[in-house]
Amino acid sequence: EAGVAQSPRYKIIEKRQSVAFWCNPISGHATLYWYQQILGQGPKLLIQFQNNGVVDDSQLPKDRFSAERLKGVDSTLKIQPAKLEDSAVYLCASSPQGQALNFGPGTRLLVL
Amino acid sequence: EDQVTQSPEALRLQEGESSSLNCSYTVSGLRGLFWYRQDPGKGPEFLFTLYSAGEEKEKERLKATLTKKESFLHITAPKPEDSATYLCAVRGLSGNTGKLIFGQGTTLQVKP
Repeated sequence: EAGVAQSPRYKIIEKRQSVAFWCNPISGHATLYWYQQILGQGPKLLIQFQNNGVVDDSQLPKDRFSAERLKGVDSTLKIQPAKLEDSAVYLCASSPQGQALNFGPGTRLLVL
Repeated sequence: EDQVTQSPEALRLQEGESSSLNCSYTVSGLRGLFWYRQDPGKGPEFLFTLYSAGEEKEKERLKATLTKKESFLHITAPKPEDSATYLCAVRGLSGNTGKLIFGQGTTLQVKP
């Protein structure tokens, strides 16, 4: 079974620029999550999708972050404009309903 | 609000020196406690799920146990390849979304 795929793996941008991350979940997994992991901390949920719909985006900074899940499969997370404090690893995960999350390798973002 | 606290933040062991990692949690209706392993530059890798107090699960040198307030990850005779960050997470009834709330992790270093 292929795992969760993410791209790019690394990204360096200037503050106030925009950036987008892509995630392809495990086939058949209805639930998709985006987590933010700042260095030395545990992952923090940004947004959760169930199929096409958003079920939790309570911790997503909506003035600069947006996310969508196309046709209930792939997902993109966008930051516009980026701030220095957005430097982190962005992890995508997917799961069958009620099961453990399967994480991708993450995208490492550095904002200068 | 669901919360997870892990201790210690960092642990150094000699090869073969057994020890335990602690995960204390506060959750409204536990629907699962999860342990993950995270290697540098990679996404978290699933280890165990525990659902009720008294439950135990084992995998090689690792054993996870659960009480009503905390979970322990026991490492018996560790090897250098066990060096990693170990993350604990809980899924509660709050919001009924199935999201995982993570602790900050324990970074384990096993010296040969």
